[in-house]
Amino acid sequence: EAQVTQNPRYLITVTGKKLTVTCSQNMNHEYMSWYRQDPGLGLRQIYYSMNVEVTDKGDVPEGYKVSRKEKRNFPLILESPSPNQTSLYFCASSLSGSRLFSPLHFGNGTRLTVT
Amino acid sequence: SQQGEEDPQALSIQEGENATMNCSYKTSINNLQWYRQNSGRGLVHLILIRSNEREKHSGRLRVTLDTSKKSSSLLITASRAADTASYFCATDDPGNQFYFGTGTSLTVIP
Repeated sequence: EAQVTQNPRYLITVTGKKLTVTCSQNMNHEYMSWYRQDPGLGLRQIYYSMNVEVTDKGDVPEGYKVSRKEKRNFPLILESPSPNQTSLYFCASSLSGSRLFSPLHFGNGTRLTVT
Repeated sequence: SQQGEEDPQALSIQEGENATMNCSYKTSINNLQWYRQNSGRGLVHLILIRSNEREKHSGRLRVTLDTSKKSSSLLITASRAADTASYFCATDDPGNQFYFGTGTSLTVIP
């Protein structure tokens, strides 16, 4: 089944403890992206990747890192999480890395709480 | 930021009625997409309309795009309780970033 898989679904952690949220897609998609969703703010893009070894900042990259060593994986790393990073996170992928975007396929989300 | 805005923020209708929600955006686009999100779950793509198209249909969905007004509308006809969800518009920009609106929360009352 074609899908985007995020893990974990729920994560509670403490300030400053490094964490990684994994994202994997099995559709051979070129484009992958991370979003955070907060009430009243909609979805905001954190980082995106047009293809392997190519990553770029989105709207809200501060406090996050990503890597794209393989086409299928796009992990989100919080080196030193803070409470303002408590949010619902989504990974998404798309077939096309060009400007004429094909639809995004989303994972089921990771709800992160930083205390 | 090019983030779009949906209007209204919330909409409540009776089953069988039509639901219309609007999206406005700020700069030129290649295409505009509509997505649906059930509570706390990932977004699901509904329909894509390219900048050179004015109207598109998919089942009970009808999307219009007016690039001169930088706006789009999504019409859901003959709504069902299962249509209850949040609906988001999304646009891309020449910098390859994707921007989502803040969403319309639709409640369809059986």
